[in-house]
Amino acid sequence: GAVVSQHPSWVICKSGTSVKIECRSLDFQATTMFWYRQFPKQSLMLMATSNEGSKATYEQGVEKDKFLINHASLTLSTLTVTSAHPEDSSFYICSAKRGVAEAFFGQGTRLTVV
Amino acid sequence: LAKTTQPISMDSYEGQEVNITCSHNNIATNDYITWYQQFPSQGPRFIIQGYKTKVTNEVASLFIPADRKSSTLSLPRVSLSDTAVYYCLVGGGYQKVTFGTGTKLQVIP
Repeated sequence: GAVVSQHPSWVICKSGTSVKIECRSLDFQATTMFWYRQFPKQSLMLMATSNEGSKATYEQGVEKDKFLINHASLTLSTLTVTSAHPEDSSFYICSAKRGVAEAFFGQGTRLTVV
Repeated sequence: LAKTTQPISMDSYEGQEVNITCSHNNIATNDYITWYQQFPSQGPRFIIQGYKTKVTNEVASLFIPADRKSSTLSLPRVSLSDTAVYYCLVGGGYQKVTFGTGTKLQVIP
């Protein structure tokens, strides 16, 4: 299957700082990328959908000013958690699709805010 | 988006065949059925996708009845390494990809 790479795999940051997570589709051009958050023992919760070159569409209840998403190219999307707080600690996962094909997922990023 | 219903958990002994059924009563004509596997602290991994009847690949089979209101993921001869959460998703095309609760499969030695 296609390869989606997420970086970093884990990050610890201080409360009030910002953290950027990268998501790259390594062997295909992704027309659409998705960002998810997953808390322990829960399912993945979709945060936003981004299409290359356009603004991301956020799910209800997700603060767009706090979770900045940039999809600057067909192989890269970034999620920036601004002014992070301990309650933002979670497992963040991205996925990428090419057209109508199935989605492929990154390995996830464990964010811990202290 | 079609809502899916799966058992929350299942147990199976090593070497047995495991069948996980997913209900999706309001599946749309253009929707595909896709199954993913997720291990702790990893992103979901694509297992199989189908539209109707039966699909088989090197790791699983997917059975879809004619009315498409349900589907069954079949894992042959499971091993301990198949212990994971399995998600059934319905949609496809240009729709967003959303997850239900999933089924936690525990394989017992």
